[in-house]
Amino acid sequence: DTGVSQNPRHKITKRGQNVTFRCDPISEHNRLYWYRQTLGQGPEFLTYFQNEAQLEKSRLLSDRFSAERPKGSFSTLEIQRTEQGDSAMYLCASSLVHTDTQYFGPGTRLTVL
Amino acid sequence: DQQVKQNSPSLSVQEGRISILNCDYTNSMFDYFLWYKKYPAEGPTFLISISSIKDKNEDGRFTVFLNKSAKHLSLHIVPSQPGDSAVYFCAASDRNTGKLIFGQGTTLQVKP
Repeated sequence: DTGVSQNPRHKITKRGQNVTFRCDPISEHNRLYWYRQTLGQGPEFLTYFQNEAQLEKSRLLSDRFSAERPKGSFSTLEIQRTEQGDSAMYLCASSLVHTDTQYFGPGTRLTVL
Repeated sequence: DQQVKQNSPSLSVQEGRISILNCDYTNSMFDYFLWYKKYPAEGPTFLISISSIKDKNEDGRFTVFLNKSAKHLSLHIVPSQPGDSAVYFCAASDRNTGKLIFGQGTTLQVKP
């Protein structure tokens, strides 16, 4: 399977705990995006990378959120001191630099109790 | 502010008929538009896209129309099939950043 993969698919955690999600983009895709989707809404942009450089962060991304893409391949999204409002589907997408079609992974469903 | 809007939360059509899903946007800087289909517990799947220099793009049963003056686009599915039942998202892309701005989605139900 050469699509975008995300792990874990589901994560249940208690409020205050830290969680980390991983995204493996389509190989050779230079751009990697993170989005968050809550019930009844479309995905909302969080941040994106071009290779290993993080180029933009949404104001939705509080200081508790951090994303990395250390070698320009896979990316991690960490949420520290989780809150119930962080419960959502976290989606990763990748694309080539000069094309606009983003291909999404299956998402990680986070539930904060 | 909601820059991309899908004003119909749901749509129900009979199998074999046409499904028309609508989307409006407010930012004239958007120059690329995409439609995604999403099943529960899965990520969005790319369907079809259109550049702002075109007014129509067709791919099999799917056609997207863009009316720039009205800042409106629509997705036509002909003929509709029960397997098309899903949530459809319209998205607009800022070519400078590539980030997508999504609408709220329209749930399509195609009845056999």
